[in-house]
Amino acid sequence: TQLLEQSPQFLSIQEGENLTVYCNSSSVFSSLQWYRQEPGEGPVLLVTVVTGGEVKKLKRLTFQFGDARKDSSLHITAAQPGDTGLYLCAGGLGAETSGSRLTFGEGTQLTVNP
Amino acid sequence: DVKVTQSSRYLVKRTGEKVFLECVQDMDHENMFWYRQDPGLGLRLIYFSYDVKMKEKGDIPEGYSVSREKKERFSLILESASTNQTSMYLCASSLDLAYADTQYFGPGTRLTVL
Repeated sequence: TQLLEQSPQFLSIQEGENLTVYCNSSSVFSSLQWYRQEPGEGPVLLVTVVTGGEVKKLKRLTFQFGDARKDSSLHITAAQPGDTGLYLCAGGLGAETSGSRLTFGEGTQLTVNP
Repeated sequence: DVKVTQSSRYLVKRTGEKVFLECVQDMDHENMFWYRQDPGLGLRLIYFSYDVKMKEKGDIPEGYSVSREKKERFSLILESASTNQTSMYLCASSLDLAYADTQYFGPGTRLTVL
């Protein structure tokens, strides 16, 4: 089983601060997705990256896929209380039949205090 | 909008009971998944199905079985519930076997086995 390790597991910051969450593996993934989960809800997709070195921006969130497609990062600029949630990275392997199967990291619980 | 619904938000069962968790999606998706989510462990795949009556084991299938008689419905069965199956159970669906496909999640069922 391919493993994805996220760090940090917990992050508590003040509104306006910047932060970065990391997702690392020894395995190569064909795609990397980031999801956010709020209490009482299922995870919701934020972004998918598929090319090594790819950078995608979603308002104050910047996602990067490592050149070797083994790692990814999520950077949030000027965090707001509405960014509070559990952030999950998920790697896709791309093989037939199991192509839609994802391997999830443990998650990073972010709390942004007003 | 894709909608994935789960039959119960909260469920309390006794050790040894047979438990059924139901999941329904309304977007004609090919793939459906069952995960369990535990603190510090992220989402772990129990079973998934890429077609009606087709199923594949995920990473932790022991103690569980699944049924997919209709495309829109995927059931998770605990034949004889045990306390170590107390967890949050999440169902998800995705459109096809594309390697970077989005998974859409239901709100989850929090199962407690006493």
